[in-house]
Amino acid sequence: EAGVTQSPTHLIKTRGQQATLRCSPISGHTSVYWYQQALGLGLQFLLWYDEGEERNRGNFPPRFSGRQFPNYSSELNVNALELEDSALYLCASSLLLAASEQYFGPGTRLTVT
Amino acid sequence: AQSVAQPEDQVNVAEGNPLTVKCTYSVSGNPYLFWYVQYPNRGLQFLLKYITGDNLVKGSYGFEAEFNKSQTSFHLKKPSALVSDSALYFCAVRDMGGLTGGGNKLTFGTGTQLKVEL
Repeated sequence: EAGVTQSPTHLIKTRGQQATLRCSPISGHTSVYWYQQALGLGLQFLLWYDEGEERNRGNFPPRFSGRQFPNYSSELNVNALELEDSALYLCASSLLLAASEQYFGPGTRLTVT
Repeated sequence: AQSVAQPEDQVNVAEGNPLTVKCTYSVSGNPYLFWYVQYPNRGLQFLLKYITGDNLVKGSYGFEAEFNKSQTSFHLKKPSALVSDSALYFCAVRDMGGLTGGGNKLTFGTGTQLKVEL
């Protein structure tokens, strides 16, 4: 069974640009989550999508946004990039059950220069 | 608000010895608790979870965790450590009211670096 996949592996952008990160969940999973893992800040919850709708978002500014497509894949968009957006962005997927564990992809390393 | 504390930034243990990685949590209701492991430049791998029932939970790669409600702890354990267990370990909690409250997110601890030496 294929796991969660993310693309690209690495992304280098300049301050002020936009970044788009992509995620494909495990087959059968309807929920997709995005987390930011920044140096010194740990893992921070960004967004949760299920059945195409945003269900919850973390304490991040509106320039962090995303969407979920009919095939349950997801995009994370970061507008007006700032240097502190440099981080590993992790996508996870799960069944829509409260007890379900989340399975993580390998991440996209975003570097803002 | 839910929170997780991992009081040790790093744990060192000799190969073959038992290991413990500590985790305490805070939630308003009953918790769902998880352990994940992260190898360098990789995503997180699920190890085990506690939902309800037996306080001792067994997971992948010989790991187990003990849930203690009175101490609000969920420590990760392994009877005999391997050098290959060296990695970053994260404890996470989800409030059981998650789905209806729109809060299906996981709240993670800051991570504990486990180093197993020969």
